[in-house]
Amino acid sequence: GAVVSQHPSWVICKSGTSVKIECRSLDFQATTMFWYRQFPKQSLMLMATSNEGSKATYEQGVEKDKFLINHASLTLSTLTVTSAHPEDSSFYICSAVPAVEGETQYFGPGTRLLVL
Amino acid sequence: DAKTTQPPSMDCAEGRAANLPCNHSTISGNEYVYWYRQIHSQGPQYIIHGLKNNETNEMASLIITEDRKSSTLILPHATLRDTAVYYCIVRVFQGAQKLVFGQGTRLTINP
Repeated sequence: GAVVSQHPSWVICKSGTSVKIECRSLDFQATTMFWYRQFPKQSLMLMATSNEGSKATYEQGVEKDKFLINHASLTLSTLTVTSAHPEDSSFYICSAVPAVEGETQYFGPGTRLLVL
Repeated sequence: DAKTTQPPSMDCAEGRAANLPCNHSTISGNEYVYWYRQIHSQGPQYIIHGLKNNETNEMASLIITEDRKSSTLILPHATLRDTAVYYCIVRVFQGAQKLVFGQGTRLTINP
């Protein structure tokens, strides 16, 4: 149980294009999902907290207009990197908290983004 | 959330117990200790969490000192697949709270 998936697992795009990453909780409903970013040899850094049916809460320094988050259902949150640039190349990881339990975060496998 | 301190790296022989320490001297009374691990190029995997009593599950055991200022994650019979970065995180057990990841301990299991 508590399986979280991400799609795509990796993506290569040209500079200036937008990329959408999906995060799904497969066997539970999640009112809250989190988006993290991880650069090589660094730890995970929280980007934003996504609550179903409401606007995401962004961490300091994360541009909300560049990293669009939509959490339209209890099993799906999406992160769109708009006008991607090479410095946006990173490992993007989501996590979801089961609505029933409400505490433990379960992580997806991550999406590796390379912007050329 | 309170800060944690972990050794940057550790080695352990395959088949032996791996004991990963974590210091959290500023932990508050309502904060839990969580352990996650991240195998290379994967998302973090939840291992275990506890408040003040020792906890055990199918993956590991968590030993928390009586003063709660430190804890130890024990992998009883380490395998090569346990090679990963292990993160010790303290957070309030209240709703869907964010996790603040430190640098963790890079555990290498040697054959």
